[in-house]
Amino acid sequence: AQKITQTQPGMFVQEKEAVTLDCTYDTSDPSYGLFWYKQPSSGEMIFLIYQGSYDQQNATEGRYSLNFQKARKSANLVISASQLGDSAMYFCAMREGGATNKLIFGTGTLLAVQP
Amino acid sequence: NAGVTQTPKFRVLKTGQSMTLLCAQDMNHEYMYWYRQDPGMGLRLIHYSVGEGTTAKGEVPDGYNVSRLKKQNFLLGLESAAPSQTSVYFCASRSDSFSYNEQFFGPGTRLTVL
Repeated sequence: AQKITQTQPGMFVQEKEAVTLDCTYDTSDPSYGLFWYKQPSSGEMIFLIYQGSYDQQNATEGRYSLNFQKARKSANLVISASQLGDSAMYFCAMREGGATNKLIFGTGTLLAVQP
Repeated sequence: NAGVTQTPKFRVLKTGQSMTLLCAQDMNHEYMYWYRQDPGMGLRLIHYSVGEGTTAKGEVPDGYNVSRLKKQNFLLGLESAAPSQTSVYFCASRSDSFSYNEQFFGPGTRLTVL
């Protein structure tokens, strides 16, 4: 069965430092996609970054990068130069292969950025 | 564009009451999804639709029904609400284009069943 695991319930980071949020996945499908979403205290889900299973390079979007290690089945999110506004819940998700494009979510990591 | 909207934003029900949550999107997306979010469990898929007139069960469909009569709308119904259905409900939509991968989420509906 496909599964997403986020082992860090909570993380602290100092402002302006980098932080890595862990995500491991399990799937037997060769075609899949990995996503990171941010959920601030206001509750909305904000898309951050996407990595396809066949993408050769790690995805980057501004201060966000995805450290994709296919053999280890990990897709860690790296946030560089943390800002106070980065304090939020972060979810890793995997899109199943096939036509339905369903997402399977991890349980999330609560990040707190300290001044 | 409003994106994905959800109605209502908050609702309190008594056990046994029924209600319908409305999701609307103005992006002409084919795929639409209903998730529930509970503390410590992430988001779980309730039902989804791959096009107008189609629906399918997700991970936790029991106690819910859905309809997709119009492409832009996806309705989630609770026929007889139970306290276990207290949750935050998110609707999402996605294009069928391979160029656009992410699901776009609505703002959520916070439902409390007493």
